[in-house]
Amino acid sequence: DTEVTQTPKHLVMGMTNKKSLKCEQHMGHRAMYWYKQKAKKPPELMFVYSYEKLSINESVPSRFSPECPNSSLLNLHLHALQPEDSALYLCASSQVGVFPRTSGRRTEKTYFGPGTRLLVL
Amino acid sequence: GIQVEQSPPDLILQEGANSTLRCNFSDSVNNLQWFHQNPWGQLINLFYIPSGTKQNGRLSATTVATERYSLLYISSSQTTDSGVYFCAAPQRGAGGTSYGKLTFGQGTILTVHP
Repeated sequence: DTEVTQTPKHLVMGMTNKKSLKCEQHMGHRAMYWYKQKAKKPPELMFVYSYEKLSINESVPSRFSPECPNSSLLNLHLHALQPEDSALYLCASSQVGVFPRTSGRRTEKTYFGPGTRLLVL
Repeated sequence: GIQVEQSPPDLILQEGANSTLRCNFSDSVNNLQWFHQNPWGQLINLFYIPSGTKQNGRLSATTVATERYSLLYISSSQTTDSGVYFCAAPQRGAGGTSYGKLTFGQGTILTVHP
C-alpha cells in the first residue's frame, strides 16, 4: 500500500474558525510533511516531522499548528486564518534513509496525499 | 539553498508524440524526484532517481548528477499524461545530510491533445 490519505478533501472556513486537517499513512514511513501549494505554483514546505518530532518549521505563522500523534498520523490545526491562506494543503511521507559512509540522513522516495483544498472567507 | 529550474515551462503535444522535459539543479544532489500533478491536484511520484536511468512503461528518466541535470522522457504521449510535471531535489544539510525539505522546480505544464 503506497497511499497517503487526507481529510477533508475540501474545507471552507471563516477567519474566526478553528479546523483541523488530517493525514494518515501506513507505509511505515518515519518522516511526514506538510506542504502548501498556491495556484500555478510549486508546493512549498511548511513542516517536517521525523520520528514523530518536529524537525523543520519553515517559519510558518503560528495560526498553523502541526501535530504528530503517532508514526502514522499527522494533523494540521488551523486557527484565525487569513484569506491569503487559501491554498491546496498537501501531506507527504517518506522513509528516512541513511548514507552508509557518513550516517547522514537522506530523504527517500516521497509520497503525497490528494490534498485538502482550503478556502478562507 | 539549492535552485531547481525546469524547461520548457509549457509544452503542447499531439497524442502519440514524444517529449523531453529538463530539470537543472544548482548543487550536487543525492536524489532527484519527478512528480506528475494531475488536474485534480494529486501529486504522483514518477521516479526517485539519484543517478543513472530508470524506465517505467512509456516514461523514463535520466539523472546526470555530475552535470547537475535530469531528463524525463515521455514516449507515445496520451491525453492522460496532461498535467504539471515537477522535479524536486532535497536541500543539503550539515554533515552531508540530504534530508527534509524538497525544493521543487516551477514545473512544466504539459497538454496532450487527442
